[in-house]
Amino acid sequence: QSALTQPASVSGSPGQSITISCTGTSSDVGGYNYVSWYQQHPGKAPKLMIYEVSNRPSGVPDRFSGSKSGNTASLTISGLQAEDEADYYCSSYTSSSTVVFGGGTKLTVL
Amino acid sequence: QITLKESGPTLVKPTQTLTLTCTFSGFSLSTSGVGVGWIRQPPGKALEWLALIYWDDDKRYSPSLKSRLTITKDTSKNQVVLTMTNMDPVDTATYYCAHTSGGPSSGDFDYWGQGTLVTVSS
Repeated sequence: QSALTQPASVSGSPGQSITISCTGTSSDVGGYNYVSWYQQHPGKAPKLMIYEVSNRPSGVPDRFSGSKSGNTASLTISGLQAEDEADYYCSSYTSSSTVVFGGGTKLTVL
Repeated sequence: QITLKESGPTLVKPTQTLTLTCTFSGFSLSTSGVGVGWIRQPPGKALEWLALIYWDDDKRYSPSLKSRLTITKDTSKNQVVLTMTNMDPVDTATYYCAHTSGGPSSGDFDYWGQGTLVTVSS
């Protein structure tokens, strides 16, 4: 299985909105509503931000939202804050009954 | 609350077998829908999913590493063990264990251990 494709980096100013894409195939992202998004600050473990495409775990701000269209999932962060600067990873369940992660996206808050 | 912690050697030699233990609390691996997975991250690189074991002993492995991995659970000890054979310097990474409760068709990890850095070097 190949890693899901994410942009290497995105940036935005405080208060703005940004979107990170995650492109897979019909065997993973496009085939299942089991896409997750993780936030990882330097030296820390990943934190689940979105599960099942668009659901937020308790405690995750509603500034974070997820969606999917075809083989591409997206994470949108609105009202960007300095603390949102981190690496973001998507993952998906696959037709092989496994999980695949994306290559990660570095978010810079200008 | 749910916690997980990885333990094992910090340094292994090439060709050796790595054994990592995930000790957890706050949940039972005999509860329907619950699983524990292993994910690794080489320094400065992306996350890579390795393996996952569910409450019913269903086991899943990364296709590219399947021949080298074994995942087992000891429900009575609240532990999950991952073994990886024939270690190579490219396997140098931080290894995480993580909890999932979405059942065998989800794969989202809501609780993670702190990770343990394993270096492969002679």
